[in-house]
Amino acid sequence: NAGVTQTPKFQVLKTGQSMTLQCAQDMNHNSMYWYRQDPGMGLRLIYYSASEGTTDKGEVPNGYNVSRLNKREFSLRLESAAPSQTSVYFCASSDRGAQNQPQHFGDGTRLSIL
Amino acid sequence: GDSVTQMEGPVTLSEEAFLTINCTYTATGYPSLFWYVQYPGEGLQLLLKATKADDKGSNKGFEATYRKETTSFHLEKGSVQVSDSAVYFCALKNQAGTALIFGKGTTLSVSS
Repeated sequence: NAGVTQTPKFQVLKTGQSMTLQCAQDMNHNSMYWYRQDPGMGLRLIYYSASEGTTDKGEVPNGYNVSRLNKREFSLRLESAAPSQTSVYFCASSDRGAQNQPQHFGDGTRLSIL
Repeated sequence: GDSVTQMEGPVTLSEEAFLTINCTYTATGYPSLFWYVQYPGEGLQLLLKATKADDKGSNKGFEATYRKETTSFHLEKGSVQVSDSAVYFCALKNQAGTALIFGKGTTLSVSS
């Protein structure tokens, strides 16, 4: 049972470099999400995709772009990394339209920007 | 806007002690409420949920009751174990169902 798989698990970047965080789910979920987790801040939504072909901004979208490649995959791109983007990034998925359905999370990508 | 407030930690308990982690929320309508747990180095796992007033969610000895009159969803466990040491997040899903709104998390440390 893979669930939600994120790659890479760890990454160190230099300021100004770009990279893409990958996420794939095998639960046939319609909705996918990207969060960042910072100490004392809980999790904050960056972008979400309610269904294949749609994406919407969350609470903290600046500096990020996303692509919903197909139903399974949802990637997060940092075009020009900044130290403020040092964080742990979590991808999640859930059934669409069901308010009481929980989200399933990956194990996270720990990103450091020097 | 919608928000979740949880008690700040860390919470430090001895094994077999009683646990309460307070959670209150602000939301329009009737959100669904969740508790997630995060063990060191891992992602978040759903612990329990409740979808309407007076519902009680339970799992692994943990319980929480959806109290609309006090807008609360406090997490309780009668006898904690060392293996319960983790960070606990209270969250709500609004009526639009677009995403979860999380509290800041409460770190629980249980010693033997």
